[in-house]
Amino acid sequence: SQQGEEDPQALSIQEGENATMNCSYKTSINNLQWYRQNSGRGLVHLILIRSNEREKHSGRLRVTLDTSKKSSSLLITASRAADTASYFCATDAAGAQKLVFGQGTRLTINP
Amino acid sequence: EPEVTQTPSHQVTQMGQEVILRCVPISNHLYFYWYRQILGQKVEFLVSFYNNEISEKSEIFDDQFSVERPDGSNFTLKIRSTKLEDSAMYFCASSEIRTGGKLFFGSGTQLSVL
Repeated sequence: SQQGEEDPQALSIQEGENATMNCSYKTSINNLQWYRQNSGRGLVHLILIRSNEREKHSGRLRVTLDTSKKSSSLLITASRAADTASYFCATDAAGAQKLVFGQGTRLTINP
Repeated sequence: EPEVTQTPSHQVTQMGQEVILRCVPISNHLYFYWYRQILGQKVEFLVSFYNNEISEKSEIFDDQFSVERPDGSNFTLKIRSTKLEDSAMYFCASSEIRTGGKLFFGSGTQLSVL
């Protein structure tokens, strides 16, 4: 089954450092998205990368996609305490009427 | 910015009782979803809905679950006879386009089945 799996499951870094989270999936996709979830809240869309794209930037976010390895990474540069949250990748397979979310990475930014 | 609203934010019920979770999607969105998240675990797909019918549903979405769009604005999830394992945060989401679009999520309803 198609399922995103993030690693690491948890990441703790100092403010100002860069945070990198990885996502792997199993089947062919149309696109891959990253979402953020603050504790106890809904998910917020961060960025979408299509299957024919290799890299995308949005502010301090950089996403890469390697369809040959079925993997993606999310880099947050110059992290801030407010970036503390869980981050999920989600994949959209051809013909599917849904996004499938991974397990998420819990990111903690220490001031 | 438009947002998806969910009510109630918390729902406590006894096992075997029926619950209805309510959602108001973003007004010009046509595709609606329910997801759930057991505490600390991944976000699981339940069902997608378009044009007044279910587009896709997961194995979790058994006969105890149903969805409805009773009017032009509300989207509801009903659980007919709740079980302990139904305790979770339930998220409603909507999107403008069918696939490849971003989802807008509500803040969720925390369902506790006792």
